[in-house]
Amino acid sequence: GAGVSQSPSNKVTEKGKDVELRCDPISGHTALYWYRQSLGQGLEFLIYFQGNSAPDKSGLPSDRFSAERTGGSVSTLTIQRTQQEDSAVYLCASSLMGTGGYEQYFGPGTRLTVT
Amino acid sequence: KNQVEQSPQSLIILEGKNCTLQCNYTVSPFSNLRWYKQDTGRGPVSLTIMTFSENTKSNGRYTATLDADTKQSSLHITASQLSDSASYICVVLNASGGSYIPTFGRGTSLIVHP
Repeated sequence: GAGVSQSPSNKVTEKGKDVELRCDPISGHTALYWYRQSLGQGLEFLIYFQGNSAPDKSGLPSDRFSAERTGGSVSTLTIQRTQQEDSAVYLCASSLMGTGGYEQYFGPGTRLTVT
Repeated sequence: KNQVEQSPQSLIILEGKNCTLQCNYTVSPFSNLRWYKQDTGRGPVSLTIMTFSENTKSNGRYTATLDADTKQSSLHITASQLSDSASYICVVLNASGGSYIPTFGRGTSLIVHP
């Protein structure tokens, strides 16, 4: 079956521009996570959606970052007024449930480069 | 502060040899601990998930151990293959207020030489 997909795979943008990154989770998965992986760093949690509950936004680094999940499926991560330090690989993962014990399946990531 | 520390940072071994990667954590309240394999340019793939009551879990040539008292885990790779070359990431989930938020280690970069 289809796994988690993300688009675009690569994005180069100028400093100050807004970008939108898309994640298509596995069908039927109620939990969706966004992570950021900077060069030489570990993965960093950004935001977590579970069903219709309010998302856990505790990992978002600033108010320039926001995410939506429409209809409990596709999610979009938006970064406004991008900065060079936003350059990283943005990974999305989904799981059947978000109650901790379920497998997370990762997408291939979007590599964002801010020039 | 929740933290996950992995060692070594990098490791080079010869094909066919065994190796052990370490993970120490300070995450509370603990939900479960996971090991992931991440090939270059790809998303992480799960190897094992261990809960508080589990001491050891195997997945083929990969065996993970967990000591919840000392908050340590290890991943043992037996009879390494060239395809084992990757980054191995230890992740600990904490359960707080209904959310299950992961804390990631920085990973151990493993290179297997022929």
